[in-house]
This record gives sequence, C-alpha cells and structure tokens, in this order.
Amino acid sequence: TQLLEQSPQFLSIQEGENLTVYCNSSSVFSSLQWYRQEPGEGPVLLVTVVTGGEVKKLKRLTFQFGDARKDSSLHITAAQPGDTGLYLCAGGRVGGSNYKLTFGKGTLLTVNP
Amino acid sequence: EAQVTQNPRYLITVTGKKLTVTCSQNMNHEYMSWYRQDPGLGLRQIYYSMNVEVTDKGDVPEGYKVSRKEKRNFPLILESPSPNQTSLYFCASSLQGGRGTEAFFGQGTRLTVV
Repeated sequence: TQLLEQSPQFLSIQEGENLTVYCNSSSVFSSLQWYRQEPGEGPVLLVTVVTGGEVKKLKRLTFQFGDARKDSSLHITAAQPGDTGLYLCAGGRVGGSNYKLTFGKGTLLTVNP
Repeated sequence: EAQVTQNPRYLITVTGKKLTVTCSQNMNHEYMSWYRQDPGLGLRQIYYSMNVEVTDKGDVPEGYKVSRKEKRNFPLILESPSPNQTSLYFCASSLQGGRGTEAFFGQGTRLTVV
C-alpha cells in the first residue's frame, strides 16, 4: 500500500511556466518534507512543514501543508531549467520506536529552455 | 563539510557473494538508516538505527543485515545477494529520528547482482 501518492508522476514544461505538484494521503502525518533529487545524487531537503495549513516560501517555490495534515503541494513559479529533478514528498510519523519517513514515488520534472 | 559518504558508488557482483556497503557520517548524528530506491516503488526503508548498538527493521529488511558499532558508521551487509537486490541504495542520517528532522543522504550505491 502506497501511503503517499504524488501527482503527476512526470511533468515536462517550458521555462517560465508555473506548475504544481501534489502529495496526497489518507493518513495523517506529524510532518511533511519535500526533497529534490538530481541524477546520480541523493535527495536533498527543500522544506519541512509541521503545522496544518502551514505555507512556506523558498524563493520561487511555495509549499503548503493541508489543514488535516494529510496532503501537501509544491508550487513553482516561473520554472527554470535548474529546477529539473525528481521531487519527493516524505511524511513523518511515529511507528513503534521509529520516527519513520514514508516517501512518495516522486514527480520527475523537466524544464526545457 | 558535513556529509554522508557511501562506498562503493557502483558495484557489480554475482549471486551469493557476500558484500558490504559502507556508510559514514561526520555530523555526530544519532539516527541512521538505509533505503533502496527502485523504479515505480520509490524509496523504501531497509533498516534503521537510533544509536550505537540499537538497530531495527524497516519495511524491506529481508536479505540484509546492519551493524552500528560506532556512531559514525552504519554498514549494510548482504550475506548472499540475489538478483532482486539489484537496486540503488541510499544511506541517510539525521540528528535524531524526530518530528521534522532533516535527513541527509549519501550519494547512493548502485548495486547490480548477476
């Protein structure tokens, strides 16, 4: 069972366009993180949101955590080729003695010049 | 520079030949974990460690072993690799396995078992 569903799975756009990536779950998470992974590298954290309804901005990226803490979105304004990569959402919650991160399958974004 | 270092980056081996993938972090992090990343399946946790000598199974532990004798090192051991363990492996560390803690990932080890 995939706890975190990301959509779309693939996205190819032109430089300057806006886009939104979604991360949805039927489960409640105590935190939601977004990572970006480039080819040949490990994921790198972009942002962490912990409060329902929270919105965080990182330059042209806007992250939102749903009120019920079950979903999140990532919006990129005026995308640039440097934004190309695999975007992963990860929900965090306690499972036994482990604070576990559950990852979505990712959205592969390609921004064409 | 704060980092998580995995070795080797690439490995091709034969079925049944024991191998170890090393992972080392220089951030004095307590929490370390191993993931495998497969097309269509995403990142899945194999094992994790809350601290020295404290390890436990993640979601897909079968066929793997780990140890945590020192805080900085968390090797992944495949006693008898099989082709279904061909995958991209990532080691990650964080200050603690807690709410919102950032996970730092290594650069990955691409393993092929033939």
